[in-house]
Formats: sequence, C-alpha cells, structure tokens
Amino acid sequence: RKEVEQDPGPFNVPEGATVAFNCTYSNSASQSFFWYRQDCRKEPKLLMSVYSSGNEDGRFTAQLNRASQYISLLIRDSKLSDSATYLCVVLTGGGNKLTFGTGTQLKVEL
Amino acid sequence: NAGVTQTPKFRILKIGQSMTLQCAQDMNHNYMYWYRQDPGMGLKLIYYSVGAGITDKGEVPNGYNVSRSTTEDFPLRLELAAPSQTSVYFCASSYSSGIKYEQFFGPGTRLTVL
Repeated sequence: RKEVEQDPGPFNVPEGATVAFNCTYSNSASQSFFWYRQDCRKEPKLLMSVYSSGNEDGRFTAQLNRASQYISLLIRDSKLSDSATYLCVVLTGGGNKLTFGTGTQLKVEL
Repeated sequence: NAGVTQTPKFRILKIGQSMTLQCAQDMNHNYMYWYRQDPGMGLKLIYYSVGAGITDKGEVPNGYNVSRSTTEDFPLRLELAAPSQTSVYFCASSYSSGIKYEQFFGPGTRLTVL
C-alpha cells in the first residue's frame, strides 16, 4: 500500500463548479498534513495546511479525519487559474520529512 | 530575498558522466532536502540535512551523494549517471518546526541521461 494515495484524475470541471479531492495515508503516526499545488513544469507550493478541526481559506476547505486516515480538499467556485495538480502531503517522523502523493490533476474549463 | 535557487535549469548527461546540482537558500533555514520527481509521480526524497555538517538518506539515495558545509548550500552529486536518473530534481528548505510548517522549493533542474 502506498503511504499516501490520491486519485490521479484528471478532473475536468466547468468554471464555477465545486470539486473535491480525497487522499488517504497509511502511517497512523503521521503528524501534519498539507495540500500543495504544482503548476505544469513548476515547483510545488504550499496551498494550505490541514488542521484536525478542518480549515478554510477563501474558496478552499480542507478536512482531516484521523480515525479514517483521510484528508480532503474542497474547491468552490472553480476558476481557470485553479487548473493545476494538487498534491496531498504528509509529515511523518524525524527530520521533518514529507511524503507526497502522486497528485490529482484539475482542469477547469470555460 | 531569492528564496531557494537551483542551477542548472536543464542538463543532458551521457551515461557514466558525473555532475553536481547546486542548491542555495538565503532564508537561514536549518533543514534542506533533495527530491526527484518522475513523470506522473509524486516527489521522492533523496537526501536531507538538518543542519550544516549533518546529512541523512531519504527514500531513494542510491547513485547520489550530498554534502552540507554551510547553512546556505546543499549540493547533490551524481556519480556515474544512468538513464534511470532522468528526472526533475527539486531542492527545498524549511525551518525545523513551527505551527505553519512549510517547505520552500527551488524551480527544479531537469536532467536527461542518454
């Protein structure tokens, strides 16, 4: 089983749509959770951290379910500029090492 | 404040050649990391460092070496390049901890081994 699993997509959605991405992780000792965004041929950038109580940043909402080892990202009112690959990322163990999922590709269309 | 810089941006190597990928950060971060990303795959950790003079292996260290003589620099050495090392290499840095933990990535080096 992969340490971090994501549906690779692509998710093709019209502008204005709501889209949700899911992610599962296998290590119950994982400490922190994140969503990174990666544009085509660019470096990953932190989109948001995921807190136990769930958190929201504008059109983006992240949820964490530790019991089910499940993380989600909801994007409301999708924009063309949201087109990118969304990486589910988990921090586990010493050295602040991150484990990355393979990413979910989102394409927002007119 | 340049953040994390990497050189070169692109490189083509022949099988058996060696090269060093350069990485530097100007944010005074303790921690630095090297990842590789193959097409359609997530990032895999090659080596990391928790401070000057300290390095440790990540998930895929074979065929690579690193050194960390200063806080700012973390070069990655490829010895005897192989086609399996064709990938995009990202360097990253971070503070050791904090509520808003974040790794900052460089723009990447695209390496092709032929």
